Amino acid sequence: ETGVTQTPRHLVMGMTNKKSLKCEQHLGHNAMYWYKQSAKKPLELMFVYNFKEQTENNSVPSRFSPECPNSSHLFLHLHTLQPEDSALYLCASSQGVTNSYEQYFGPGTRLTVT
Amino acid sequence: DAKTTQPNSMESNEEEPVHLPCNHSTISGTDYIHWYRQLPSQGPEYVIHGLTSNVNNRMASLAIAEDRKSSTLILHRATLRDAAVYYCILRGHQGGSEKLVFGKGTKLTVNP
Repeated sequence: ETGVTQTPRHLVMGMTNKKSLKCEQHLGHNAMYWYKQSAKKPLELMFVYNFKEQTENNSVPSRFSPECPNSSHLFLHLHTLQPEDSALYLCASSQGVTNSYEQYFGPGTRLTVT
Repeated sequence: DAKTTQPNSMESNEEEPVHLPCNHSTISGTDYIHWYRQLPSQGPEYVIHGLTSNVNNRMASLAIAEDRKSSTLILHRATLRDAAVYYCILRGHQGGSEKLVFGKGTKLTVNP
């Protein structure tokens, strides 16, 4: 148990659906992150939020829309996804964004796009 | 981003120490060395990190070479639960280089 929870753990959606992934951290951290892990590929950073402000968008397509209403919650809104977007989506948090801080990851949401 | 080089895989026996090497010859003076691991079907887990001095915590030890061009993650007594992919990552100081950039890591197999 890392203090970072993600729901749902599994999600199957069609290409025309709209769904949202939720992440919550109970660690009092100020920074939150979304990562994508496709099969047989390294983790890829998608978005970074620091004190609720987006500080990084790693060239992510607009069909992925993040939202950070406060430092404890992070959402990833999904719409008109493609089958190649099927992956494990991981949320993480850290005390800060500088290089001396470690990140704590949630268990991930396994997304399948049909 | 400064790069790291790790063996693709390593094997160990249960209850024996494991030394996981990482080369980072282009490390700069402000880069931290971070180690994470990922067990099957789970998110990555923070293991340890350091800058110049050796570091110990309840999970592992991190030995950093004097010139900082290499480091070794030490698991003192491997258990079956330590079977995972281990990632050695350099994190820079600014300009986006603070990001965690995951490579392929070392897949550790622990034999009973």
